[in-house]
Amino acid sequence: GEDVEQSLFLSVREGDSSVINCTYTDSSSTYLYWYKQEPGAGLQLLTYIFSNMDMKQDQRLTVLLNKKDKHLSLRIADTQTGDSAIYFCAERIYGGYQKVTFGTGTKLQVIP
Amino acid sequence: NAGVTQTPKFQVLKTGQSMTLQCAQDMNHEYMSWYRQDPGMGLRLIHYSVGAGITDQGEVPNGYNVSRSTTEDFPLRLLSAAPSQTSVYFCASSYSRTGGTYEQYFGPGTRLTVT
Repeated sequence: GEDVEQSLFLSVREGDSSVINCTYTDSSSTYLYWYKQEPGAGLQLLTYIFSNMDMKQDQRLTVLLNKKDKHLSLRIADTQTGDSAIYFCAERIYGGYQKVTFGTGTKLQVIP
Repeated sequence: NAGVTQTPKFQVLKTGQSMTLQCAQDMNHEYMSWYRQDPGMGLRLIHYSVGAGITDQGEVPNGYNVSRSTTEDFPLRLLSAAPSQTSVYFCASSYSRTGGTYEQYFGPGTRLTVT
């Protein structure tokens, strides 16, 4: 079955780069997503990458995908205190709308 | 647009009580889902709908019912609340771009405690 794993916690200093990692198990994934959840709020889609891509850049965000190792990462450049949140990766496998699995989330703490 | 709205924000129930969590979206999205979020676990899919009148079970459907009589509304009913249903519940809506990205938009959540 599908399984998406993330480390639970990451702490970085303001201005540094953050790298949040995710591993997944299902090789039939089509899209991989990164969501951000601020305290008391729902999930907000940050970016996504199609499974036949290696990298996607969107302003301060860089997504890297290593399909061979089933490893996904999200790099946030120049991390700000407003980036403090929980970050979820999610994998969508072939088969329709409901075929998405979320990771457990990584809590990013940005130290001023 | 208000996006996806959920009511109530907080709810406390006694074991055995029933209630309905409301979810509405004003983006004319055809797809809607209910998830629960528990500590140390990712979001788990309870039920979903691919259009008005069409619903199906997700990963953890037991103890919950849904219906989708309109495109906008997707209520989640707890039939007889149990402490194991203590969780944060999120409703999401989605549309399908070309290629099947199914970008999901989430509501703010309902925090439910069952005593």
